[in-house]
Amino acid sequence: EVQLVESGGGLVQPGGSLRLSCAASGLTFSNYAMSWVRQAPGKGLEWVSGITNNGGITYYADSVKGRFTISRDNSKNTLYLQMNSLRADDTAVYYCEKGHLWFDPWGQGTLVTVSS
Amino acid sequence: EIVMTQSPPTLSVSPGERATLSCRASQSISSNLAWYQQKPGQAPRLLIYGASTRATGIPARFSGGGSGTEFTLTISSLQSEDFAVYYCQQYNNWPLTFGGGTKVEIK
Repeated sequence: EVQLVESGGGLVQPGGSLRLSCAASGLTFSNYAMSWVRQAPGKGLEWVSGITNNGGITYYADSVKGRFTISRDNSKNTLYLQMNSLRADDTAVYYCEKGHLWFDPWGQGTLVTVSS
Repeated sequence: EIVMTQSPPTLSVSPGERATLSCRASQSISSNLAWYQQKPGQAPRLLIYGASTRATGIPARFSGGGSGTEFTLTISSLQSEDFAVYYCQQYNNWPLTFGGGTKVEIK
């Protein structure tokens, strides 16, 4: 059974930084592209970033380009999202996802709150 | 960026009735479309991918159709557990994009 467990969320001030992690199990992690998707409170879903299976190519939504960096460590089966220059509108639950097409399964997500 | 537009925003349906949700893409996405269900306080769940292929464990009352720019999700006979928000998502082009959602509520 594929399990994706996100961590690293919390309260951060505007302009601050945070690094999210996603521990993957139940799959051959290095075979899969991975993605981050977020959902602001009471709002819809927004794809944030994706990375190829070997980390060679990365993709970003315009809303986070230049501020967020996706990376992975295939030896640790872990996906990361480094978030810098955080803004109030980055407040959301962040989900780690297997693949870069459709997303299944979904973890519980980690909540990031950007507020002073 | 491909814009995904879902309609209606809210659909009021009685249990046992049929519900049809629409999703329109701003340009052709072939059949590269997925549907998700989200209940309050829960993460989304994949229902359909490839526009019409049900994900593992999804009941047959859920069916997807369409290609190009027009897509539908049909729930043939609504059960109490089906009242939720439904999202479509295209994966034909980067950036991947979601529709704004359709809330299916009890009439």
